[in-house]
Amino acid sequence: NAGVTQTPKFQVLKTGQSMTLQCAQDMNHEYMSWYRQDPGMGLRLIHYSVGAGITDQGEVPNGYNVSRSTTEDFPLRLLSAAPSQTSVYFCASSIRPSNQPQHFGDGTRLSIL
Amino acid sequence: GESVGLHLPTLSVQEGDNSIINCAYSNSASDYFIWYKQESGKGPQFIIDIRSNMDKRQGQRVTVLLNKTVKHLSLQIAATQPGDSAVYFCAEKVDSSASKIIFGSGTRLSIRP
Repeated sequence: NAGVTQTPKFQVLKTGQSMTLQCAQDMNHEYMSWYRQDPGMGLRLIHYSVGAGITDQGEVPNGYNVSRSTTEDFPLRLLSAAPSQTSVYFCASSIRPSNQPQHFGDGTRLSIL
Repeated sequence: GESVGLHLPTLSVQEGDNSIINCAYSNSASDYFIWYKQESGKGPQFIIDIRSNMDKRQGQRVTVLLNKTVKHLSLQIAATQPGDSAVYFCAEKVDSSASKIIFGSGTRLSIRP
């Protein structure tokens, strides 16, 4: 049981490039979410999904797209990377968010030059 | 090393003493609250949770108190150990009809030998 797996662990991009951060969970969790964490701040919710085919925006969705074609995978796409998107990105999942805590991956450290 | 949490408020506690970490939450409609621990270079790890129909919940060496009147949450750690050194975050599910889990800004717990 691997839990929540994020790839890659580290990535450096140039401004304007696009990329996809991968997130996969093997716990059959319906709920998945993406957060970013900047130095000196807590985690901010980017997008979340309550099940396959359903996604919604969080606190800071601009510049990011998501899709949820399967229960297991929830990729995060940066459309045109900007230096302001330099951050650590965490993916999380839970059975249901109403009364169950989320399990987090170990993060992707992304630098935009 | 991990740069997250450079500017977070810090609580310094003597080893063996009890620690109390506080959190003010934002939304009076929030109905589920979670405390997470984050060690350097890792994703947040679940500690304890509480629903809004409760005032107190105890786990192993940890207690969460919820005061809905003033929208305040606290985490008490008994007999603090060196392994408790980390950044602690509270999180809330901000709406009973939605699924957004929003994090607070965090507190760094430092243990003095």
